[in-house]
Amino acid sequence: NAGVTQTPKFRILKIGQSMTLQCAQDMNHNYMYWYRQDPGMGLKLIYYSVGAGITDKGEVPNGYNVSRSTTEDFPLRLELAAPSQTSVYFCASSYPGGRDEKLFFGSGTQLSVL
Amino acid sequence: GEDVEQSLFLSVREGDSSVINCTYTDSSSTYLYWYKQEPGAGLQLLTYIFSNMDMKQDQRLTVLLNKKDKHLSLRIADTQTGDSAIYFCAESFSGNTPLVFGKGTRLSVIA
Repeated sequence: NAGVTQTPKFRILKIGQSMTLQCAQDMNHNYMYWYRQDPGMGLKLIYYSVGAGITDKGEVPNGYNVSRSTTEDFPLRLELAAPSQTSVYFCASSYPGGRDEKLFFGSGTQLSVL
Repeated sequence: GEDVEQSLFLSVREGDSSVINCTYTDSSSTYLYWYKQEPGAGLQLLTYIFSNMDMKQDQRLTVLLNKKDKHLSLRIADTQTGDSAIYFCAESFSGNTPLVFGKGTRLSVIA
């Protein structure tokens, strides 16, 4: 069982570069999420999606974009990387229509913007 | 508004019990969760409790919920070095609203 797969695991970007963080899940989950984790700050929600074709902003969406063309994939795009986007990024998914919202997390992408 | 508070650090000796505390502000939460994050990994669901329950026990884990005080705790009995991790409290609400996480409590177990 693959679960939630994130690529790449590590990446270093220069200021102003762009990149896409990939996320795929094979559990047929409707709900998918992108979080960033900064030391001592817990998890902050960037964007989420409740199904293919539907996306919503979370707490910290500025500087990011997402798309959800399929149930399985939920890529996160950084257009003009800034040092403030240095963080660990986690993708997660949850049961379709699940009232109890059990999240399954990927192993994370560590991004440094220099 | 929604807010979940946890203390940032806890240190215990191996074999002792650990108690990690969490407070939340929104009384309309439906489920409350504990997630565990080991170094270099994503979060994994440890246990959860429905908001109409007071207690849930699962092997070495005991979750206590005081809904009046909006206080949630996680007790780990006979704490082992493998329990060293960051523990996140989270609450959910009805509908499509995503989970709200606390900042996490880093548990260090001293051998």
